[in-house]
Formats: sequence, structure tokens, C-alpha cells
Amino acid sequence: GAGVSQSPSNKVTEKGKDVELRCDPISGHTALYWYRQSLGQGLEFLIYFQGNSAPDKSGLPSDRFSAERTGGSVSTLTIQRTQQEDSAVYLCASSLIDNDEQFFGPGTRLTVL
Amino acid sequence: AQKITQTQPGMFVQEKEAVTLDCTYDTSDPSYGLFWYKQPSSGEMIFLIYQGSYDQQNATEGRYSLNFQKARKSANLVISASQLGDSAMYFCAMSSPSGGYNKLIFGAGTRLAVHP
Repeated sequence: GAGVSQSPSNKVTEKGKDVELRCDPISGHTALYWYRQSLGQGLEFLIYFQGNSAPDKSGLPSDRFSAERTGGSVSTLTIQRTQQEDSAVYLCASSLIDNDEQFFGPGTRLTVL
Repeated sequence: AQKITQTQPGMFVQEKEAVTLDCTYDTSDPSYGLFWYKQPSSGEMIFLIYQGSYDQQNATEGRYSLNFQKARKSANLVISASQLGDSAMYFCAMSSPSGGYNKLIFGAGTRLAVHP
């Protein structure tokens, strides 16, 4: 079926505003991951969801960041009171099981002015 | 600490030649997985190849092969017969129990340019 989809593809916002980024994983994939890629950098892990287990939030950089996954499928990453250093590409990935190949979405490019 | 090191910020190769992209890793876990991803200018991450720490043979996928040297903790990607479409960023990544099997730890990447 379809791959991982993310929306919006681009988001420009003003400093201090809240933003929501959406990820739709591959159907049937139980694991979902969020990563952040700053300009010219590698990927930085943010958060991981697996089934009904408590998410691993160890990579979230501050309490302004939160994420949820409703119904074991779609996930939303929310950034409150955005700062300029939040500007990056936010990538979502899903995998069938743990420690398996992760399939990435096209990412959301966030620009905070 | 779990770490991936890619020491080549940029590499050039002539079309149809082979190229090796370096990757070294650091982990004390006996079991781990190593991945290579390609990121074209369009931004998507494309999985290329996987090597498990207990795999006896080096992984191969078409023109991609992984030169896995466990004692040296290296997992270099070899691309044979380079094509113009191979121009992209290449990331080495690792998953391990200590790092959290549920996440990939990425290196900084190597930008490969294939010249005609």
C-alpha cells in the first residue's frame, strides 16, 4: 500500500505560535518514530510509539514538545510556543515490528520566523 | 555510549566507478543492527541495506554491499558501478539494546557526488 505520509510538507510560523505536524504510518505497522533533522545534520530521535505501550519520550528536547498517537495509527507532533531553533525537518517513520527496517515519510519542513 | 561516526563529509566519484563510504560505530552491546540510508535532495530517507551483528556474511543488495568488520567496529558501504542518481546524502545508523532498540542513532552523513 501507500508509504508513510506527513502533512503539511512545509510549515512557516511565527515565533511563539503552536504547530501540529501529522504522520500517517504504513497500515499495519505497529511502531512509529519521530526524528528531527536540522540543516546539514544527521537525524535526532524524538519519540517512539509501539502499540499500546507507553511512548519513549527520551528524545524530546523540551516540554514544549509533545506527541500522541490515536488509535494506534495516526500520530501528531505538537510544538508549543515555537522558537527559531525549532526550525528543522521533522521526519516520521514506521516499522512493522521493533528493531526492523524503518520506512520514512517525506518530512515536514518547519521554519520559525 | 552508542555512537556512529562518519568521517567523510563529502565524497566524489566518477560515474561507473565504485566508492566506499566509511562508518564506524561504538557500542558495548553484543547484539546490534547497522543500517544505511540514502537521502536525495528531495529529502526522503531511503533504506538501502541492513547488517545484523551476528550475521556471518556481509550484506548485499544489488549494487550496495556492506563491508562489515566487527573487530574494527566498522560498517562501510560500498556502491559499485556508481550512477548519477546515486548523488545524495548517505547516513549510517545503528540500533542496539543500550541505545534503545526502538530508535536509530545516526551519523552525521556523507554527501556523495557522482560525476559524469
